[in-house]
Amino acid sequence: AQSVTQLGSHVSVSEGALVLLRCNYSSSVPPYLFWYVQYPNQGLQLLLKYTTGATLVKGINGFEAEFKKSETSFHLTKPSAHMSDAAEYFCAVPSNAGGTSYGKLTFGQGTILTVHP
Amino acid sequence: DGGITQSPKYLFRKEGQNVTLSCEQNLNHDAMYWYRQDPGQGLRLIYYSQIVNDFQKGDIAEGYSVSREKKESFPLTVTSAQKNPTAFYLCASQLDTSNYGYTFGSGTRLTVV
Repeated sequence: AQSVTQLGSHVSVSEGALVLLRCNYSSSVPPYLFWYVQYPNQGLQLLLKYTTGATLVKGINGFEAEFKKSETSFHLTKPSAHMSDAAEYFCAVPSNAGGTSYGKLTFGQGTILTVHP
Repeated sequence: DGGITQSPKYLFRKEGQNVTLSCEQNLNHDAMYWYRQDPGQGLRLIYYSQIVNDFQKGDIAEGYSVSREKKESFPLTVTSAQKNPTAFYLCASQLDTSNYGYTFGSGTRLTVV
């Protein structure tokens, strides 16, 4: 089954600085990859979704992610951080175990982004 | 507006009690999922249902039970057999299993007192 690893459970940046949140997937090229954002005590919201064929995916709130097959990576970036970007971010991939597992997502451990004034 | 509603937002349980968390969606989605979230552990799948009257165990189903009698509803019962139930519980729905995008509810925080 597929899995994702998020490097860095906490990332801290200054307002206006580049945001880089790392995600690596485990094995074969997945058909989809997702980034979700979670604000405190809320559910997850979809930031962006990769589908086969795309390499640079643009999402909401100025975020984008680049799919790199050679590095098995799908890192999330934003050129200039804003205070409102402070949240927890999750990378996710289809579990891909087949049968009744079709449709399931496996989530990474999450990365908490802190933005300093 | 269509969406997915979880209730209550906060729930307190005494040890030895069963409690039921509600999850309702009016999106006409086929599939529904329950996840448990603990700090630093991401989301772990408890149960999921891809069609009415059918559901499957996820990775951490012990101590939990579910039902799917209606397409719109997927309640989760945390039983007394769940030894560490304090967590944030998230429900999600999915149009169908060919569309992996989830819509999440706002969560229920369960605390054992």
